[in-house]
Order: sequence, then structure tokens, then C-alpha cells
Amino acid sequence: KQEVTQIPAALSVPEGENLVLNCSFTDSAIYNLQWFRQDPGKGLTSLLLIQSSQREQTSGRLNASLDKSSGRSTLYIAASQPGDSATYLCAVPSYSGAGSYQLTFGKGTKLSVIP
Amino acid sequence: SQTIHQWPATLVQPVGSPLSLECTVEGTSNPNLYWYRQAAGRGLQLLFYSVGIGQISSEVPQNLSASRPQDRQFILSSKKLLLSDSGFYLCAWSTSDTQYFGPGTRLTVL
Repeated sequence: KQEVTQIPAALSVPEGENLVLNCSFTDSAIYNLQWFRQDPGKGLTSLLLIQSSQREQTSGRLNASLDKSSGRSTLYIAASQPGDSATYLCAVPSYSGAGSYQLTFGKGTKLSVIP
Repeated sequence: SQTIHQWPATLVQPVGSPLSLECTVEGTSNPNLYWYRQAAGRGLQLLFYSVGIGQISSEVPQNLSASRPQDRQFILSSKKLLLSDSGFYLCAWSTSDTQYFGPGTRLTVL
């Protein structure tokens, strides 16, 4: 059974700092890995999707990397801003024979960017 | 574009009362639909998923049930709520690559 772990559970940084969030997964036979953002009391918003054949994916100040062999992914946030404050979750899919797939999520990293 | 709705946004219910949470999707047909629960300190847990009308798969044994009476409607129900049912309930639909989440329902069972 796939397990996803995120470290650290919480992180507080001053505005402008670059930071790295970590995600590890136990079964390296994944199709892709996804990073989501969740604001307090809100649903999840997809940030980046990395296919298993890719090593990196970038969107603006966000860069996600994937190392399948070691079962790790990192989310790099450059020049952090107070608006980046949220919980960041990573997730990997498991496909079923019923034509659907399920996402296994980590518990998330709660990021606070201090002005 | 696709939109996913959930209601109610918040709900406070006594133990033993029934529950009905509704999720609807617009702008797509025959979506795969999902119910997740997010409880404090436990992360996001998949409860049910559906690949079509009347087709429901359950991931965890519990006193909750799900139904899909229409293509773009997914309902989460309970006959008698437990304290442990408190949490944030999220509905999602998926493409082949990713899932899109609704705004969620905050359920507090007292």
C-alpha cells in the first residue's frame, strides 16, 4: 500500500526567502506526482503535475522535482510571499481496474510566510 | 469550463442525526467522482469513488454511504452520525491526470 510522507509538518519563514518542501512515497511505481495547495477552510488547488517520465516541472516561482528511484519529490518556492501561506500537499495516484484512480495524499506542510 | 459545487458549506449536527451532503459538477459528462474526508491530524482520506451512475466503490468501512443518482451528482449520506464523523468533506472529479476539488463542507458533530 502506497504511503506518502511530507516533511516538515509546518514551516515558518520570513518573506523573500527561498524554501523547499519535501515529499516521499514508498512505492516508486508511480505514473505521476501532484502538488496541491489548500488555503484554510478551502478545497484543494492543483499547482503542479509531474509525469513519471519528467524530472522537473515549473510554474512561475514554483518548481517541483521528482526522483522516482529514491521515492522523493521536492517543491521549491522562490522569493516567498505572504500570499504563499497555505498548506501544501503532495499526492500520487493508484489506478484501479474499474477505470478510475485514487490519490494517496501526504498530511501536508503548513507554510507561514511572515511579512 | 468545469465547475464543482458542494453544499452546505458548513453543518453542525447532533450525534445520531442523519446526514446528506451533495456535490454536483458542471461542464463535463461522465466524470469520475470522489468523496474525501480531512480530519485534524489525519490528512486526506478517500471515502468513496464512482465511475458512473449507480457505481460506488467504498474505500473504508464506516457508517457513511454514497450514491450517484445522476451523472454529475454525488451524495454522501449517513443514517446516524458519530462524533468521529466530524471533519472537512471534499468532493472531487477527475480527468485522466488530475483531480479537481470542490470548496468542501465543514461538518461538526456534537
